[in-house]
Amino acid sequence: AQTVTQSQPEMSVQEAETVTLSCTYDTSESDYYLFWYKQPPSRQMILVIRQEAYKQQNATENRFSVNFQKAAKSFSLKISDSQLGDAAMYFCAYRRFPYNTDKLIFGTGTRLQVFP
Amino acid sequence: DSGVTQTPKHLITATGQRVTLRCSPRSGDLSVYWYQQSLDQGLQFLIQYYNGEERAKGNILERFSAQQFPDLHSELNLSSLELGDSALYFCASSPTLAGGSSYNEQFFGPGTRLTVL
Repeated sequence: AQTVTQSQPEMSVQEAETVTLSCTYDTSESDYYLFWYKQPPSRQMILVIRQEAYKQQNATENRFSVNFQKAAKSFSLKISDSQLGDAAMYFCAYRRFPYNTDKLIFGTGTRLQVFP
Repeated sequence: DSGVTQTPKHLITATGQRVTLRCSPRSGDLSVYWYQQSLDQGLQFLIQYYNGEERAKGNILERFSAQQFPDLHSELNLSSLELGDSALYFCASSPTLAGGSSYNEQFFGPGTRLTVL
């Protein structure tokens, strides 16, 4: 069974600085997707970024980028130029290449605080 | 706004009771997923429906059941409620079942917060 581990329950960063959130996963499959979701206090789940395992190039979305290390089964999220609005829970998630189902498997989350 | 709606937003009930949570997927989405998020935890997959049929089951308790209706809305029924069932319940929808390399994003609703007293 696939698992996702986020070992940092809480992180903090100063506004305008850079922070990296860690995620590791376990799978025996070679093709899959990885995601970072943001959950602000409103509790809405917001997709931040996704990575296809077959792509070697790391995904980027504006100030958000990932460091995908397939062999190490590591998938970290880097937030550059942090803003107060980035404060939220961040969840790493895994999804296998779908056949019958494409359910998401989530980690336990990292709470990010941003200080002015 | 993802286009997925969930009602009610909040629900407070007592142990032993039964409740129904409702989800309306985005227009045209055939697949519906239910997830449970206990306090400060990650989301746990409960069950998936596709075009009215059950597609996959996660760690869903026998006291819980779900269905998807012909108009594609879905209901999650929770019975014999226990204190530990207090959680945020999310519904997500996606256009179809993805196949091969086709990406199939899941769009999340705002959730229903269930409190069991």
